[in-house]
Amino acid sequence: DGGITQSPKYLFRKEGQNVTLSCEQNLNHDAMYWYRQDPGQGLRLIYYSQIVNDFQKGDIAEGYSVSREKKESFPLTVTSAQKNPTAFYLCASSFGPPGQTHSYEQYFGPGTRLTVT
Amino acid sequence: SQQGEEDPQALSIQEGENATMNCSYKTSINNLQWYRQNSGRGLVHLILIRSNEREKHSGRLRVTLDTSKKSSSLLITASRAADTASYFCATDGNDYKLSFGAGTTVTVRA
Repeated sequence: DGGITQSPKYLFRKEGQNVTLSCEQNLNHDAMYWYRQDPGQGLRLIYYSQIVNDFQKGDIAEGYSVSREKKESFPLTVTSAQKNPTAFYLCASSFGPPGQTHSYEQYFGPGTRLTVT
Repeated sequence: SQQGEEDPQALSIQEGENATMNCSYKTSINNLQWYRQNSGRGLVHLILIRSNEREKHSGRLRVTLDTSKKSSSLLITASRAADTASYFCATDGNDYKLSFGAGTTVTVRA
């Protein structure tokens, strides 16, 4: 049963603590992405990775960090430097990144809702 | 940055009616995609249209693309209660990533 999973579904943390969100895919996709969604808004790109051991900052990378040591896994750490971390976090993967001659649909996980108090 | 902007922000229709939503974008694109999101869930890909295509169909969905006006529309025909969701357009240019709009929330009344 192929897909992309995120855990946990809900996460609660105290302010000042780092927290790591898990994202795993068994679709054999090269590219993986992390998005943040705030109420009533679209998705904003945090980080993306086109291949193992490589990743790039998206539009709102400050206060976040990622790693891509395995093709299947792309964990996101929300650090204490992120000023407003409470949000819905979505992980996605695709066969490859968007490009001039091709584009691939992105497959999304179910999301993790992070609440920091 | 969010390139796409959907219009309207919200739409309420009766079951069986058609729903139309629009997406406008600012810079040239290679492709445009539409996604659906049910409340509190991940997004699901609906359809992809390339910049050299003008219209595409998939089941009850019809997407048009007008690159001269930098706009796209998504039409859902004969809507059902299960179509209640938020719909997002996503564009990709030459920067190897998708840019999502803020979405249109569609409510289908029984």
